[in-house]
Parts: sequence; C-alpha cells; structure tokens
Amino acid sequence: QQQVKQSPQSLIVQKGGIPIINCAYENTAFDYFPWYQQFPGKGPALLIAIRPDVSEKKEGRFTISFNKSAKQFSLHIMDSQPGDSATYFCAASKLPSNTGKLIFGQGTTLQVKP
Amino acid sequence: EPEVTQTPSHQVTQMGQEVILRCVPISNHLYFYWYRQILGQKVEFLVSFYNNEISEKSEIFDDQFSVERPDGSNFTLKIRSTKLEDSAMYFCASKGGQETQYFGPGTRLLVL
Repeated sequence: QQQVKQSPQSLIVQKGGIPIINCAYENTAFDYFPWYQQFPGKGPALLIAIRPDVSEKKEGRFTISFNKSAKQFSLHIMDSQPGDSATYFCAASKLPSNTGKLIFGQGTTLQVKP
Repeated sequence: EPEVTQTPSHQVTQMGQEVILRCVPISNHLYFYWYRQILGQKVEFLVSFYNNEISEKSEIFDDQFSVERPDGSNFTLKIRSTKLEDSAMYFCASKGGQETQYFGPGTRLLVL
C-alpha cells in the first residue's frame, strides 16, 4: 500500500529527445507527488511536483502527467540536454500531516548523449 | 538561498561504534526528516520530527537509532551500535509550512 513503483530503471536518449519516466502508486490517500533530481554525490533536489486536482503541470522543459484513476504519473523532459543526465526519483506523500514523509520510487538513471 | 547542511560529509567507523550525524535545517522550518540511501537503491524514510518529538518512524528506525534537536538549530541522528548494514548515505531534510522538503548533501557512512 505504501509502495511507489518506478520504471524504467535506466534510460538512454539522444540530446533533444523526450525521456519519459513512469510511476505508479497504490495508496489513494497520497495527494502530493514530487519528482526529485539527484546528481552523483549530492542530495535529491525538487524538480517539479503535482497535486491530484490537476492532470498536468509544466515547468520549463519538465512536465508531469497525472492519471488519478489509473494511479499513475509520469515525468517528461522536453528537449533533453546532457546536463539532464542524473537519477530521477518520483515520490508520494500524504498532506497535510505532521509527517508528510516521502515514499520514493526506485529511481531512474537517465543518460542524455550529446 | 537557504540550504540544509550536513556534517560530516563522510564517516568511517568500526562495527559496534556509536556515530552522530549532524544537520542544520533551514531556519524557520518546522518539520525535519532523516532518510537513507543504500548504494544504488532508493531513498528510504527513517524518521520525521515535529514540535520537538518524533512524529513518525519507519521499521528501519529501531532502538539503535535516536534523533535530537539539542539547541534549536541542529538536528542529529545517532546510531548507538553500528552494524555493517548501516552503511549508506544519510540525508537530512527540512520543510516549512509548504509541501517541499529540502534535502542536504548527505553523509556517507561506512561501517567496517
């Protein structure tokens, strides 16, 4: 019930391509879905997040698509660049609460080739 | 821009020894967290802390672990008797009244 499943595990695209990373959750009480970007040796950094009252959110080249009925959400990176090469984690949380703990997916290692 | 800081960046210890990992959350944040990431695996929740007490802890956070906010600025994670399987990257995070958790750079703990 607490799991968030993420796929694929790794992804290689050419510069300019549109990598898509998918996540699925089980707990319908989750109402906050962030994506974090992590570079080697660094902590996760928030990239973009969505609440379930909208089906899509776009910030710059990053877009989240959200399908509440299917309990799935995905990250699209438009015009991907070599600098986007990193590990991406989806997560889910229940807000508001005194914890708001994040449940992370397994992560996707993205490589964008020049 | 305010950020979460963590010390030390690396810690090597012998099995059975006590370690204390330190974090300075973003000032005026109210919620504090520890997560860990075993090499190559996902980030896992350990514990959350709010209003000077633990608000939730995971199954990983057993009696060997404790957290403290000793002076209103630092937030520490203590592992009393380290095991080999405690080797991981430990991340501190903090959150204000909004949704976003801000993560520190992590402490890489190696238990020998």
